[in-house]
Amino acid sequence: NAGVTQTPKFRILKIGQSMTLQCTQDMNHNYMYWYRQDPGMGLKLIYYSVGAGITDKGEVPNGYNVSRSTTEDFPLRLELAAPSQTSVYFCASRLAGPYYSYEQYFGPGTRLTVT
Amino acid sequence: RKEVEQDPGPFNVPEGATVAFNCTYSNSASQSFFWYRQDCRKEPKLLMSVYSSGNEDGRFTAQLNRASQYISLLIRDSKLSDSATYLCVLQGGGADGLTFGKGTHLIIQP
Repeated sequence: NAGVTQTPKFRILKIGQSMTLQCTQDMNHNYMYWYRQDPGMGLKLIYYSVGAGITDKGEVPNGYNVSRSTTEDFPLRLELAAPSQTSVYFCASRLAGPYYSYEQYFGPGTRLTVT
Repeated sequence: RKEVEQDPGPFNVPEGATVAFNCTYSNSASQSFFWYRQDCRKEPKLLMSVYSSGNEDGRFTAQLNRASQYISLLIRDSKLSDSATYLCVLQGGGADGLTFGKGTHLIIQP
Protein backbone atom coordinates (compact mmCIF):
# COMPACT_ATOMS: atom_id res chain seq x y z
CA ASN A 1 0.00 0.00 0.00
CA ALA A 2 1.21 3.52 -0.79
CA GLY A 3 -0.91 4.89 2.07
CA VAL A 4 -1.87 8.56 1.69
CA THR A 5 -0.26 10.37 -1.22
CA GLN A 6 -0.37 14.10 -1.96
CA THR A 7 0.58 16.12 -5.00
CA PRO A 8 2.27 18.47 -5.59
CA LYS A 9 4.96 18.48 -2.90
CA PHE A 10 5.69 22.18 -3.39
CA ARG A 11 3.93 25.02 -5.17
CA ILE A 12 4.30 28.76 -5.46
CA LEU A 13 1.15 30.69 -6.42
CA LYS A 14 0.58 34.33 -7.22
CA ILE A 15 -2.19 36.18 -5.38
CA GLY A 16 -5.54 35.48 -7.02
CA GLN A 17 -4.50 32.26 -8.77
CA SER A 18 -6.32 29.00 -8.23
CA MET A 19 -5.10 25.46 -7.69
CA THR A 20 -6.15 22.02 -6.54
CA LEU A 21 -4.20 20.00 -4.02
CA GLN A 22 -4.61 16.30 -4.70
CA CYS A 23 -4.97 13.61 -2.05
CA THR A 24 -5.38 9.88 -2.64
CA GLN A 25 -5.45 6.94 -0.24
CA ASP A 26 -5.41 3.25 -1.10
CA MET A 27 -6.42 1.87 2.30
CA ASN A 28 -10.18 1.94 1.64
CA HIS A 29 -10.67 4.46 4.44
CA ASN A 30 -14.05 6.16 4.57
CA TYR A 31 -12.96 9.18 6.61
CA MET A 32 -10.64 11.75 5.06
CA TYR A 33 -9.37 15.11 6.34
CA TRP A 34 -7.53 18.23 5.24
CA TYR A 35 -5.39 20.16 7.73
CA ARG A 36 -3.12 23.16 7.41
CA GLN A 37 -0.07 23.88 9.56
CA ASP A 38 1.35 27.38 9.80
CA PRO A 39 4.95 27.83 11.06
CA GLY A 40 5.24 27.13 14.79
CA MET A 41 1.58 26.21 15.06
CA GLY A 42 -0.48 23.09 15.47
CA LEU A 43 -2.48 21.59 12.63
CA LYS A 44 -5.93 23.05 12.04
CA LEU A 45 -8.80 21.19 10.37
CA ILE A 46 -10.05 22.70 7.09
CA TYR A 47 -12.59 20.16 5.80
CA TYR A 48 -13.42 16.52 6.30
CA SER A 49 -15.46 13.79 4.62
CA VAL A 50 -17.09 10.64 5.98
CA GLY A 51 -17.60 9.07 2.57
CA ALA A 52 -18.12 9.69 -1.13
CA GLY A 53 -20.49 12.59 -1.66
CA ILE A 54 -20.37 13.80 1.97
CA THR A 55 -18.20 16.69 3.14
CA ASP A 56 -18.25 19.04 6.11
CA LYS A 57 -16.45 22.15 7.30
CA GLY A 58 -13.75 22.11 9.92
CA GLU A 59 -12.28 24.95 11.96
CA VAL A 60 -10.80 27.05 9.10
CA PRO A 61 -12.79 26.40 5.86
CA ASN A 62 -12.86 29.94 4.43
CA GLY A 63 -11.11 30.23 1.07
CA TYR A 64 -11.25 26.50 0.35
CA ASN A 65 -13.57 23.98 -1.28
CA VAL A 66 -13.56 20.20 -1.36
CA SER A 67 -15.29 17.37 -3.16
CA ARG A 68 -15.40 13.61 -2.61
CA SER A 69 -16.56 11.74 -5.68
CA THR A 70 -14.73 8.49 -4.82
CA THR A 71 -13.58 6.76 -1.65
CA GLU A 72 -9.95 7.16 -2.69
CA ASP A 73 -9.72 10.86 -3.63
CA PHE A 74 -10.31 14.03 -1.63
CA PRO A 75 -9.03 17.11 -3.52
CA LEU A 76 -8.79 20.55 -1.89
CA ARG A 77 -9.44 23.58 -4.08
CA LEU A 78 -8.12 27.11 -3.51
CA GLU A 79 -10.06 29.53 -5.71
CA LEU A 80 -8.44 32.93 -5.11
CA ALA A 81 -5.12 32.41 -3.41
CA ALA A 82 -4.16 34.88 -0.68
CA PRO A 83 -0.87 35.26 1.26
CA SER A 84 -2.71 34.06 4.40
CA GLN A 85 -3.01 30.65 2.71
CA THR A 86 0.76 30.18 2.72
CA SER A 87 1.08 27.01 4.77
CA VAL A 88 1.80 23.28 4.74
CA TYR A 89 -1.28 21.24 3.87
CA PHE A 90 -1.70 17.69 5.16
CA CYS A 91 -4.29 15.19 4.04
CA ALA A 92 -5.20 12.32 6.39
CA SER A 93 -7.50 9.32 6.42
CA ARG A 94 -8.77 6.70 8.80
CA LEU A 95 -11.21 3.83 9.02
CA ALA A 96 -14.80 4.58 9.92
CA GLY A 97 -15.96 3.42 13.32
CA PRO A 98 -15.25 4.12 16.98
CA TYR A 99 -13.05 7.18 17.10
CA TYR A 100 -10.80 5.78 19.79
CA SER A 101 -9.84 2.74 17.78
CA TYR A 102 -8.46 4.04 14.59
CA GLU A 103 -5.28 5.92 13.80
CA GLN A 104 -5.31 8.81 11.34
CA TYR A 105 -2.68 8.32 8.63
CA PHE A 106 -1.15 11.46 7.17
CA GLY A 107 0.20 12.19 3.72
CA PRO A 108 3.64 13.83 3.31
CA GLY A 109 2.18 17.31 2.87
CA THR A 110 2.11 20.06 0.24
CA ARG A 111 4.11 23.21 0.93
CA LEU A 112 2.28 26.17 -0.59
CA THR A 113 3.60 29.73 -0.84
CA VAL A 114 1.36 32.56 -2.06
CA THR A 115 3.17 35.75 -3.09
CA ARG B 1 -8.00 29.46 27.49
CA LYS B 2 -6.53 27.78 24.41
CA GLU B 3 -7.90 24.35 23.50
CA VAL B 4 -4.60 22.50 23.88
CA GLU B 5 -1.63 24.05 25.63
CA GLN B 6 1.92 22.77 25.54
CA ASP B 7 5.27 24.22 26.53
CA PRO B 8 6.95 24.81 23.16
CA GLY B 9 10.46 24.25 24.57
CA PRO B 10 12.98 23.53 23.27
CA PHE B 11 13.90 20.93 25.85
CA ASN B 12 17.63 20.20 25.57
CA VAL B 13 18.29 16.84 27.21
CA PRO B 14 21.43 14.66 27.35
CA GLU B 15 21.25 11.23 25.80
CA GLY B 16 20.13 8.61 28.32
CA ALA B 17 18.18 11.06 30.48
CA THR B 18 14.49 10.92 31.32
CA VAL B 19 12.27 13.74 30.07
CA ALA B 20 8.60 14.54 30.67
CA PHE B 21 6.16 16.75 28.78
CA ASN B 22 2.78 17.98 29.88
CA CYS B 23 -0.27 19.16 28.05
CA THR B 24 -3.51 20.73 29.31
CA TYR B 25 -6.78 20.90 27.42
CA SER B 26 -9.92 22.97 27.83
CA ASN B 27 -12.65 20.90 26.17
CA SER B 28 -13.95 18.48 28.78
CA ALA B 29 -16.00 16.72 26.07
CA SER B 30 -12.83 15.44 24.41
CA GLN B 31 -13.06 11.68 24.04
CA SER B 32 -9.70 10.43 22.82
CA PHE B 33 -6.17 11.54 23.50
CA PHE B 34 -2.93 10.93 21.66
CA TRP B 35 0.72 11.85 21.42
CA TYR B 36 1.97 12.35 17.87
CA ARG B 37 5.56 12.83 16.83
CA GLN B 38 6.54 15.24 14.03
CA ASP B 39 10.02 15.37 12.55
CA CYS B 40 11.18 18.56 10.88
CA ARG B 41 9.14 19.33 7.75
CA LYS B 42 7.44 15.90 7.85
CA GLU B 43 3.92 14.65 8.51
CA PRO B 44 2.77 13.82 12.06
CA LYS B 45 2.92 10.18 13.06
CA LEU B 46 1.08 8.51 15.92
CA LEU B 47 3.39 7.78 18.85
CA MET B 48 0.77 6.41 21.22
CA SER B 49 -2.79 6.71 22.41
CA VAL B 50 -3.38 7.83 25.98
CA TYR B 51 -5.75 5.99 28.31
CA SER B 52 -7.12 6.97 31.71
CA SER B 53 -5.38 4.01 33.31
CA GLY B 54 -2.04 5.11 31.89
CA ASN B 55 -0.17 3.13 29.30
CA GLU B 56 3.37 2.24 28.41
CA ASP B 57 5.07 1.40 25.12
CA GLY B 58 8.71 0.53 25.58
CA ARG B 59 10.52 3.64 26.83
CA PHE B 60 7.39 5.79 26.54
CA THR B 61 4.71 6.20 29.22
CA ALA B 62 1.55 8.28 28.80
CA GLN B 63 -0.90 9.37 31.49
CA LEU B 64 -4.32 11.04 31.34
CA ASN B 65 -5.99 12.90 34.19
CA ARG B 66 -9.53 13.75 33.07
CA ALA B 67 -10.40 15.57 36.30
CA SER B 68 -7.50 18.00 35.85
CA GLN B 69 -7.69 17.90 32.02
CA TYR B 70 -4.03 17.05 31.84
CA ILE B 71 -1.97 14.64 29.72
CA SER B 72 1.66 13.68 30.15
CA LEU B 73 4.36 11.85 28.23
CA LEU B 74 7.49 10.39 29.84
CA ILE B 75 10.47 9.25 27.79
CA ARG B 76 13.06 7.12 29.56
CA ASP B 77 16.64 6.43 28.42
CA SER B 78 16.31 9.04 25.68
CA LYS B 79 18.00 8.39 22.32
CA LEU B 80 19.32 10.82 19.74
CA SER B 81 16.54 9.59 17.45
CA ASP B 82 13.93 10.87 19.93
CA SER B 83 14.74 14.44 18.83
CA ALA B 84 11.49 15.73 17.32
CA THR B 85 8.41 17.81 18.08
CA TYR B 86 5.83 16.03 20.23
CA LEU B 87 2.22 17.00 19.58
CA CYS B 88 -0.55 16.62 22.14
CA VAL B 89 -3.71 15.70 20.23
CA LEU B 90 -7.39 15.34 21.16
CA GLN B 91 -10.46 14.05 19.41
CA GLY B 92 -14.14 14.55 20.06
CA GLY B 93 -16.78 12.05 19.13
CA GLY B 94 -17.81 10.73 15.76
CA ALA B 95 -15.89 11.58 12.61
CA ASP B 96 -14.46 14.81 14.01
CA GLY B 97 -10.95 15.71 13.06
CA LEU B 98 -8.13 15.97 15.53
CA THR B 99 -7.31 19.04 17.67
CA PHE B 100 -3.59 19.64 17.88
CA GLY B 101 -1.40 21.50 20.34
CA LYS B 102 1.47 23.53 18.93
CA GLY B 103 3.96 20.90 20.05
CA THR B 104 6.95 20.60 22.34
CA HIS B 105 10.36 20.59 20.66
CA LEU B 106 12.81 18.04 22.10
CA ILE B 107 16.52 17.98 21.34
CA ILE B 108 18.57 15.04 22.61
CA GLN B 109 22.24 15.93 22.90
CA PRO B 110 25.08 13.40 22.67
